[in-house]
Amino acid sequence: DQQVKQNSPSLSVQEGRISILNCDYTNSMFDYFLWYKKYPAEGPTFLISISSIKDKNEDGRFTVFLNKSAKHLSLHIVPSQPGDSAVYFCAAMNYGGSQGNLIFGKGTKLSVKP
Amino acid sequence: SQTIHQWPATLVQPVGSPLSLECTVEGTSNPNLYWYRQAAGRGLQLLFYSVGIGQISSEVPQNLSASRPQDRQFILSSKKLLLSDSGFYLCAWSVDSNSPLHFGNGTRLTVT
Repeated sequence: DQQVKQNSPSLSVQEGRISILNCDYTNSMFDYFLWYKKYPAEGPTFLISISSIKDKNEDGRFTVFLNKSAKHLSLHIVPSQPGDSAVYFCAAMNYGGSQGNLIFGKGTKLSVKP
Repeated sequence: SQTIHQWPATLVQPVGSPLSLECTVEGTSNPNLYWYRQAAGRGLQLLFYSVGIGQISSEVPQNLSASRPQDRQFILSSKKLLLSDSGFYLCAWSVDSNSPLHFGNGTRLTVT
């Protein structure tokens, strides 16, 4: 059973517009969430995180929103740029536990068209 | 600054052959180390993690094993590869259990 779900395998957005990547989780014990970005032939790189004590975290063009009651988080990229084209992985864990408990979604491939 | 090296980048091996993938981290001491696999159409699956030399935790039963002979070296091995071992293998490190992971560039393994 998937504990972290990214239901959209792909997303296409025009340059300059907003990209919204969604992630749902089922385990109510998760309290720390991360987004990773992956280019082809490279390992994922950490992008942004949020803990369950917050509902929003912003870093430049990237903002992550957390809705604990809905067990849903989203990553907003504004404005989207062609260099943002990559696969984005959502991940969740129980903070204070082992990183061995970090659970990844299957990823969403974002294509930003010029 | 910290860097992680993983090699080889690609590998094609016949069924039944052994495997050894190596990962080293520079610029930090006593990191947590991880091996992940991404099979086609699936998310990242944790295979092994290590919090210290000689300490290996396995997350899934499988045909693979891991070893940590030195503080910043993590090795993924198999005595006899199966077709199902094909995938993209990623090594990662973190400062501690609550810090983000930093990934290597991965090894694309194809078992034929």
